[in-house]
Amino acid sequence: GAVVSQHPSRVICKSGTSVKIECRSLDFQATTMFWYRQFPKKSLMLMATSNEGSKATYEQGVEKDKFLINHASLTLSTLTVTSAHPEDSSFYICSAKSVDEKLFFGSGTQLSVL
Amino acid sequence: AQSVTQPDIHITVSEGASLELRCNYSYGATPYLFWYVQSPGQGLQLLLKYFSGDTLVQGIKGFEAEFKRSQSSFNLRKPSVHWSDAAEYFCAVGASGSSNTGKLIFGQGTTLQVKP
Repeated sequence: GAVVSQHPSRVICKSGTSVKIECRSLDFQATTMFWYRQFPKKSLMLMATSNEGSKATYEQGVEKDKFLINHASLTLSTLTVTSAHPEDSSFYICSAKSVDEKLFFGSGTQLSVL
Repeated sequence: AQSVTQPDIHITVSEGASLELRCNYSYGATPYLFWYVQSPGQGLQLLLKYFSGDTLVQGIKGFEAEFKRSQSSFNLRKPSVHWSDAAEYFCAVGASGSSNTGKLIFGQGTTLQVKP
């Protein structure tokens, strides 16, 4: 079946540094990718929607300059958390929508900012 | 605005017992409804989905869900729970229309614990 690879699975960084998370669709082209954030014991909150070759659409309340999204190809989207702070610590999950409109989720990235 | 409510934060059942996880949604038009399962530190796996047609939907791992428009509910059921079913379960609603498929609103999740 279709696979979405998310890397890294876990990252620890110092406050003030930037962290890049990759989301790749391994065996299909993803017309659209979505980035979610999940707080402990909480639901997933949609952060942004990215389409290949165009600017991402951010949900209300999500800082565009803090969470940079690049969807450079039909198989890769990246989320960069810039100048990370402890409050950015969270579980980030991407999902990718195939041409036939099926949705597949990555395995998530646990970000811990010290 | 769309919203999803899972009234039960935590449920414990005995292995072999039946299971029902509740989900209520708020959406003006015909919703797309999903149930996902998440194991600790993992991504989400789709259990089943409802777009239209038969209101009783069969999914993977022996799960089923029933869409009841009159009650705005999409409860997940399994006749006999296995220990491996212990996980976090999320109900989600998506906007109808191809352009919105994939943009999901999730419920708060229900943690399922299975007793031996």
